[in-house]
Amino acid sequence: GAVVSQHPSRVICKSGTSVKIECRSLDFQATTMFWYRQFPKQSLMLMATSNEGSKATYEQGVEKDKFLINHASLTLSTLTVTSAHPEDSSFYICSARDLFSPATNEKLFFGSGTQLSVL
Amino acid sequence: RKEVEQDPGPFNVPEGATVAFNCTYSNSASQSFFWYRQDCRKEPKLLMSVYSSGNEDGRFTAQLNRASQYISLLIRDSKLSDSATYLCAVNEEGGGNKLTFGTGTQLKVEL
Repeated sequence: GAVVSQHPSRVICKSGTSVKIECRSLDFQATTMFWYRQFPKQSLMLMATSNEGSKATYEQGVEKDKFLINHASLTLSTLTVTSAHPEDSSFYICSARDLFSPATNEKLFFGSGTQLSVL
Repeated sequence: RKEVEQDPGPFNVPEGATVAFNCTYSNSASQSFFWYRQDCRKEPKLLMSVYSSGNEDGRFTAQLNRASQYISLLIRDSKLSDSATYLCAVNEEGGGNKLTFGTGTQLKVEL
C-alpha cells in the first residue's frame, strides 16, 4: 500500500519558536495532502488541504498565517507552526490519497503523526 | 449537532465477547464511509470501508443504514489486541475527498 512518511515524530520547543513538520508520499504522487490536528481524547480535526503548486485551503477557524503550508512538489508538503504557544501543543498528522491507484484511490493514508509540545 | 458522532465509551468487554459500535452522520449527501482503528498516539489505520450492502472481514462486520444515517461496526470474538479507539469517517459528496472523523469509541478488551 501507499506509504506516507512524516517527521519529526516528536517535537518539544519553547514558546515563540517555529516548528516545521514534513509529510512525504514515498511511493506515489500526492497532488493533495491533508493536515489534521488531534487533541487528547478528541477527534482528528481537518486544518487544511494542501494543494501542490497552489495555496492551501484552510478550514474555518484555522489561522493561515500561523499554520503555514507549503506543497512545492508532488511528494512533499510541509506545515510550519509559527510562533508556537502552549495551546498549539497537539498531535499533528498528515494524510494523502493515491488518486492514480484504482485499487486504493478511496483510501486515505496517514503519516505517523507529530506530537508537538510547546513549553 | 456534530457532523459525525460516536459514543466515546470506553467499552470494557471480556475477551471473546461481541461488541458493536454505531456512528451517526448528519449530511445525507455523504457518499463514502470508513472505519479506522487508532492506537494511542499513533496514526489511524484503515480497518474497512463501509458499503451499502455491508461488508465483512474476518471478525469484523460493517454496515451502512442510509435511511437512519448511521454506520456500524461489529467485532466478534474480541481479542486483547482489539483494544484501541475506533474512528468512523465520512466523505461528503463534493467534499474534495476530505474525510470528517468522529471522536472515536474506545474499546478495552479484558481477560
